[in-house]
Amino acid sequence: DIQMTQSPSTLSASVGDRVTITCRASQNINTWLAWYQQKPGKAPNLLIYKASSLQSGVPSRFSGSGSGAEFTLTISSLQPDDFATYYCQQYDTYATFGQGTKVEIK
Amino acid sequence: EVQLVESGGGLVQPGGSLRLSCAVSGFSFSSYWMHWVRQAPGKGLVWVSRINSDGSGTYYADSVKGRFTISRDNAKNTLYLQMNSLRAEDTAVYYCARGITVVNAFDVWGQGAMVTVSS
Repeated sequence: DIQMTQSPSTLSASVGDRVTITCRASQNINTWLAWYQQKPGKAPNLLIYKASSLQSGVPSRFSGSGSGAEFTLTISSLQPDDFATYYCQQYDTYATFGQGTKVEIK
Repeated sequence: EVQLVESGGGLVQPGGSLRLSCAVSGFSFSSYWMHWVRQAPGKGLVWVSRINSDGSGTYYADSVKGRFTISRDNAKNTLYLQMNSLRAEDTAVYYCARGITVVNAFDVWGQGAMVTVSS
């Protein structure tokens, strides 16, 4: 099974900060990686697919990069609506999620 | 508007059964792979199962293989998850989700159905 590891688990940041979350796969997954945002009590929302493709309707402050086994999600200027938990997910073989990164208000 | 609406969740005793439904509207249901993903209270997301667009292929996480069955009725625009031999560790919110074309990533999600397995 492919394991996904996110870091950090929790991130404290302020509005306007540039935020980066890292996701590592246990093996090469090419660019078969997605990022989701989830707010408490709500379903996840797709942000990025194929490592760097922005989902329709998602603000351009979100971007993704990487290939192989190391990936990053960057929020260029954190907004109040962005405080949430973020998950990476590989879909090279079935589907596996990372454990999540909670972005908190500093 | 694209919409997925789950139903059928509830409280069930260990060893019991439950069937979840996911009613779909706003898109051509029969053209998409569909999935179930679950989330235990306070925990992360776990993929459960996938069914191909015509129902010809079904796939399961090892943790539910042999106990859960995914199915679909394209005429009724509805996805199902039959859950048997339920265990306490199956307690979770169950989401139905639409696959992005023919890959295992998810672009539309339902609101979730809570399943609690407890005596």
